[in-house]
Amino acid sequence: DAGVIQSPRHEVTEMGQEVTLRCKPISGHDYLFWYRQTMMRGLELLIYFNNNVPIDDSGMPEDRFSAKMPNASFSTLKIQPSEPRDSAVYFCASSLRHAGNTIYFGEGSWLTVV
Amino acid sequence: GIQVEQSPPDLILQEGANSTLRCNFSDSVNNLQWFHQNPWGQLINLFYIPSGTKQNGRLSATTVATERYSLLYISSSQTTDSGVYFCAVEETSGSRLTFGEGTQLTVNP
Repeated sequence: DAGVIQSPRHEVTEMGQEVTLRCKPISGHDYLFWYRQTMMRGLELLIYFNNNVPIDDSGMPEDRFSAKMPNASFSTLKIQPSEPRDSAVYFCASSLRHAGNTIYFGEGSWLTVV
Repeated sequence: GIQVEQSPPDLILQEGANSTLRCNFSDSVNNLQWFHQNPWGQLINLFYIPSGTKQNGRLSATTVATERYSLLYISSSQTTDSGVYFCAVEETSGSRLTFGEGTQLTVNP
């Protein structure tokens, strides 16, 4: 299996621009998670989906952030407009879940907003 | 929400030494995983271990769910073991993994 695939791996953008991060989960997995990692806050869950439906978005920092999962093999995390404090590594992860199961992470998207 | 505490925060070893990393959590869990984040930022699954003991080569882990802690053992450490080790738990009431702050391990040659 190819694992969780994220793109882009690295992005540098100017403040105010729209950023779209993409994720392809492992085939057959029914849960998808978006995490953000920063030095100050560590690894924090932003949102997760079950069977393409958003279940918990309480970690989404503000309205500038939005996430979609139009089908079982694709999800996006969008930041509009971006700000320097959004600079972080954004991880996508997926799992096949029933009362708990191993979660697999992608390699992350390294975002720098200048 | 559930609290996850890892210790020690930093650990420096000489190659060949053994070490024990600890993870304490504040509530009952469905899921506990140990991850290694390598210097390139990749998060690698080490163990899925909500209870019991597992071993994989030089690494092993034990979770005592009733006492709310887990231990990760690294034996005969190698420089490639360097990186950050995270413990992450999922509460019985939900599906979200909550991460500890990690243990930064440096193995010197």
